[in-house]
Amino acid sequence: DQQVKQNSPSLSVQEGRISILNCDYTNSMFDYFLWYKKYPAEGPTFLISISSIKDKNEDGRFTVFLNKSAKHLSLHIVPSQPGDSAVYFCAAHQGGSEKLVFGKGTKLTVNP
Amino acid sequence: KAGVTQTPRYLIKTRGQQVTLSCSPISGHRSVSWYQQTPGQGLQFLFEYFSETQRNKGNFPGRFSGRQFSNSRSEMNVSTLELGDSALYLCASSLSGANYEQYFGPGTRLTVT
Repeated sequence: DQQVKQNSPSLSVQEGRISILNCDYTNSMFDYFLWYKKYPAEGPTFLISISSIKDKNEDGRFTVFLNKSAKHLSLHIVPSQPGDSAVYFCAAHQGGSEKLVFGKGTKLTVNP
Repeated sequence: KAGVTQTPRYLIKTRGQQVTLSCSPISGHRSVSWYQQTPGQGLQFLFEYFSETQRNKGNFPGRFSGRQFSNSRSEMNVSTLELGDSALYLCASSLSGANYEQYFGPGTRLTVT
């Protein structure tokens, strides 16, 4: 039973365009959401996060949107750069624990 | 500040053997979590330690165990290795604060033959 789902295994966009990565979740007890970026042969790197009491958080080219009623969040990258090519993981924190639940990841390719 | 370090980076073992992986968290971080990453499965939570106590455990068999030392360094042990245990094992540390951000090491690539 997958509580965090990233339904698109891959995404390809042109440099300079917007990249939109999506994530759905089922557990209403999740109180915090995070996005991680992972390059091959490296551990995941924290990118941006959002509390469940907010609907938007922005950090430079990265913006995360949360729609609690739809149990959906998305990561927008504008403008996309070739260096953004990586696997992006959505993660959710369940209140009362230190456990993060991860999606399976979306491989983003930004073409020059 | 040094990041999370994991040793060894690569390991090849035979079925039936056991293995111990090591993780040193970021200085000051007292929470250490372990994850298993396999192709197409994302990161699966193994367990989390805080102040030498296991606080959370994922859905893995008892062959997977861990511990944390007083300096917050952690070890993970897998006994009676199976082919399906081949994976990237990632360790993450955190301050165990309100932002829940975890910082990952580069991982240990375990291959079981």
